Amino acid sequence: NAGVTQTPKFRILKIGQSMTLQCTQDMNHNYMYWYRQDPGMGLKLIYYSVGAGITDKGEVPNGYNVSRSTTEDFPLRLELAAPSQTSVYFCASRTGSEQFFGPGTRLTVL
Amino acid sequence: DQQVKQNSPSLSVQEGRISILNCDYTNSMFDYFLWYKKYPAEGPTFLISISSIKDKNEDGRFTVFLNKSAKHLSLHIVPSQPGDSAVYFCAASEVETSGSRLTFGEGTQLTVNP
Repeated sequence: NAGVTQTPKFRILKIGQSMTLQCTQDMNHNYMYWYRQDPGMGLKLIYYSVGAGITDKGEVPNGYNVSRSTTEDFPLRLELAAPSQTSVYFCASRTGSEQFFGPGTRLTVL
Repeated sequence: DQQVKQNSPSLSVQEGRISILNCDYTNSMFDYFLWYKKYPAEGPTFLISISSIKDKNEDGRFTVFLNKSAKHLSLHIVPSQPGDSAVYFCAASEVETSGSRLTFGEGTQLTVNP
């Protein structure tokens, strides 16, 4: 199993550009999550999904959108990038009480 | 409103000694607690967890203690090894809520010196 994979690893965006962060898991987990981590801070939940076709907002959803058309994929969309969205983004999936994290995407918005 | 707090941003210990990482929470509805370990440029990895019905859980060199009345938990690493140097995140959840979302603390950077 590859576990949770994220692409790209790094990206630099200009203000106002859009992009999609990809997340795929091959463990057949129903629950998936998107977090952001700012320097010196813990992980903040952006969006989560309890299964294909079902998504819900987390703690910091503004400026982001998600979709969950399959069990495996949970992409995160930034429509109008802002400097405040400069962060490291982690995708995770869950079985039982344990979440498994991807390696992260480091995004810089200039 | 920081519901999970790790008040020590960093901790430095000598190899072979005990490392104690602390975490406080404010939400009395949390009933499951986890510790994650994170190396640079990697995602967090699960380390150990504890349910609110227990006060201690042990896994090899790692032990988590939970004091519900004080809303405090701690992670003990004995003996500490240089490979334990990483950022440690405390996390809490309400198991019955939708999605069983985790609330994370800010993290503590542990450095184990040889």
